[in-house]
Amino acid sequence: DAKTTQPNSMESNEEEPVHLPCNHSTISGTDYIHWYRQLPSQGPEYVIHGLTSNVNNRMASLAIAEDRKSSTLILHRATLRDAAVYYCILSPSGSARQLTFGSGTQLTVLP
Amino acid sequence: ETGVTQSPTHLIKTRGQQVTLRCSSQSGHNTVSWYQQALGQGPQFIFQYYREEENGRGNFPPRFSGLQFPNYSSELNVNALELDDSALYLCASSRAGAGAREQYFGPGTRLTVT
Repeated sequence: DAKTTQPNSMESNEEEPVHLPCNHSTISGTDYIHWYRQLPSQGPEYVIHGLTSNVNNRMASLAIAEDRKSSTLILHRATLRDAAVYYCILSPSGSARQLTFGSGTQLTVLP
Repeated sequence: ETGVTQSPTHLIKTRGQQVTLRCSSQSGHNTVSWYQQALGQGPQFIFQYYREEENGRGNFPPRFSGLQFPNYSSELNVNALELDDSALYLCASSRAGAGAREQYFGPGTRLTVT
């Protein structure tokens, strides 16, 4: 399986945008890019996914590089409730089969 | 719409014992996956069940087994518990087939093996 690389931790100020990077230089043409987050004492929560084009939903935006070797999850206005571990995951053909989690990025939101 | 539920929330077992964890999938979902999450690490895929059959397995020994029932609920059984089995066990449900992109996770069962 293609691997992803994320920073171990990031900090952001409340109500400011957050850009969470992910590198996936060995991504294949059929791999979808998924983002999940895990709030303290909860199971992971789906955030967003995409293949080639940038994607937006009510939670976040996903910006995918033209060569697809990296992507960025964008939280437009961070709140204290966004403090979580964010996981960038590649999914073959995008199917909801096994997800291979790495260690993710711990996002701290400062008031 | 009812989300994914898991039981029990916590339990403590002794090394060598057996344990059964339970999961009810989200309404309309027919696929259940189980994950193990050790402290400070990301979840690791154990196996997935679809139509009551195992449909993919991660790098876990045979003493980890499962069942899926006609109502799509599921059980995870672990025999001969070891200290390293102490972890948060997560269940996730999803729809099978093309277009099914997301997994929906339950809150997990915290297992402590002493």
